[in-house]
Amino acid sequence: NAGVTQTPKFQVLKTGQSMTLQCAQDMNHNSMYWYRQDPGMGLRLIYYSASEGTTDKGEVPNGYNVSRLNKREFSLRLESAAPSQTSVYFCASSARTGISYNEQFFGPGTRLTVL
Amino acid sequence: QKEVEQNSGPLSVPEGAIASLNCTYSDRVSQSFFWYRQYSGKSPELIMSIYSNGDKEDGRFTAQLNKASQYVSLLIRDSQPSDSATYLCAETGGFKTIFGAGTRLFVKA
Repeated sequence: NAGVTQTPKFQVLKTGQSMTLQCAQDMNHNSMYWYRQDPGMGLRLIYYSASEGTTDKGEVPNGYNVSRLNKREFSLRLESAAPSQTSVYFCASSARTGISYNEQFFGPGTRLTVL
Repeated sequence: QKEVEQNSGPLSVPEGAIASLNCTYSDRVSQSFFWYRQYSGKSPELIMSIYSNGDKEDGRFTAQLNKASQYVSLLIRDSQPSDSATYLCAETGGFKTIFGAGTRLFVKA
C-alpha cells in the first residue's frame, strides 16, 4: 500500500497563477484533510471532507477550493496564488467519520513557493 | 477558539534518559488525543493515541492523559539520537483536529 500520496512534491508559482495539488489514498478511508504548515505555527486545517461527496471549511480556507473527486482523491486548488500561500501543504486521511478517534495518516507534502 | 499549547523547546536530553513532553488543551469536550513525530523536512507520523484518563504504554513511549487538568504528556524512555524530531500534540472532539505547534527534541549521543 502506498498510503497517502501527493503531487507535486515541489512547486514555484508567480503571484496570480493557479494550480491544483493532488492527493490520493489507498486505505479506503472515509475522511480526508488538507493542512498547511508554516514555521512556528503548527498544522492549520484548510478544508476537510468527512465523507465522499461532502466538504467543509477548516481554520484557514480563504484563497483555496477543494474537490472530493471520489473516495480516494481529494484535490486542493489555488485560483490566484499569493505570496502568503507560500507554505508546506499536507494531505491526510482517516478511517472514522464519528466524533472520536480520528487518527490521521499524512502524505509526504508539497512545498509551494509563491513569488 | 480551541487551542493546544506546547513548549517549542528545544528540549535537550542525553542518550538513554527519559524525555518528557507536555501539552495542554483548552476544549473540555475534547475526546481523543494524539502524539505525532515529525522529522525535519518530512510529514507527521502518528506514534501514540490516547482516549481515556491514565497512562498508555507502547514500547518506549508512554502517553498520559488528565482530562480534569486538560493535560497530555508523552514520555520517551531510553531516548535515542533517532528520537530527535519535533513532536506534535493534537486533540479532536469532532471531525476537526487541532494541532499544537510542536516541541523540538534533541537527544545527545
